[in-house]
Amino acid sequence: DGGITQSPKYLFRKEGQNVTLSCEQNLNHDAMYWYRQDPGQGLRLIYYSQIVNDFQKGDIAEGYSVSREKKESFPLTVTSAQKNPTAFYLCASSIGRLPETQYFGPGTRLLVL
Amino acid sequence: AQSVAQPEDQVNVAEGNPLTVKCTYSVSGNPYLFWYVQYPNRGLQFLLKYITGDNLVKGSYGFEAEFNKSQTSFHLKKPSALVSDSALYFCAVSSREGYQKVTFGTGTKLQVIP
Repeated sequence: DGGITQSPKYLFRKEGQNVTLSCEQNLNHDAMYWYRQDPGQGLRLIYYSQIVNDFQKGDIAEGYSVSREKKESFPLTVTSAQKNPTAFYLCASSIGRLPETQYFGPGTRLLVL
Repeated sequence: AQSVAQPEDQVNVAEGNPLTVKCTYSVSGNPYLFWYVQYPNRGLQFLLKYITGDNLVKGSYGFEAEFNKSQTSFHLKKPSALVSDSALYFCAVSSREGYQKVTFGTGTKLQVIP
């Protein structure tokens, strides 16, 4: 089956802890994205990557970091600097050519203990 | 900067009635417009998109959307609503200008009443 997988489904973070959210795709897509979803605020772009070994900050990158060492993988680390990390995190990918239809994973819900 | 407005937080419609979910946008240059649907605790699913050409776009599950350039709108419509259409709907815009960042609206919750 082709698609995007995110793990874990739920993640708990303690104060001062860094946590990493996994995102893997087997669609052979060049571009990958991380969004944060909060109630009433829609989706906000955290980071995106158009090719391997390259990524750019989105609108709300502070307190987050990413890597893109493989085309299939785009993990997101929520660092201790992110003071309000509780949210639903969505990973997406697209072919990378216009127009960009994005394909989304099932999401990871991050909760703070 | 590009933006999307979904003026209604929630739309209620009776099953079998037509539905409309509103979206207006602001973007430099020609827009690319999208509608996505999200079911509870799930990722977004693509419904339809407008690139160019016919202003009426048909998509999945019987949905369609009308692009109106003069009113900068891209409203989502369906002739006859189903209870299973109840979900959160997002409008999104990007353009050919610069990096093709996609900007999403805040979402509209559609409630179809049996």
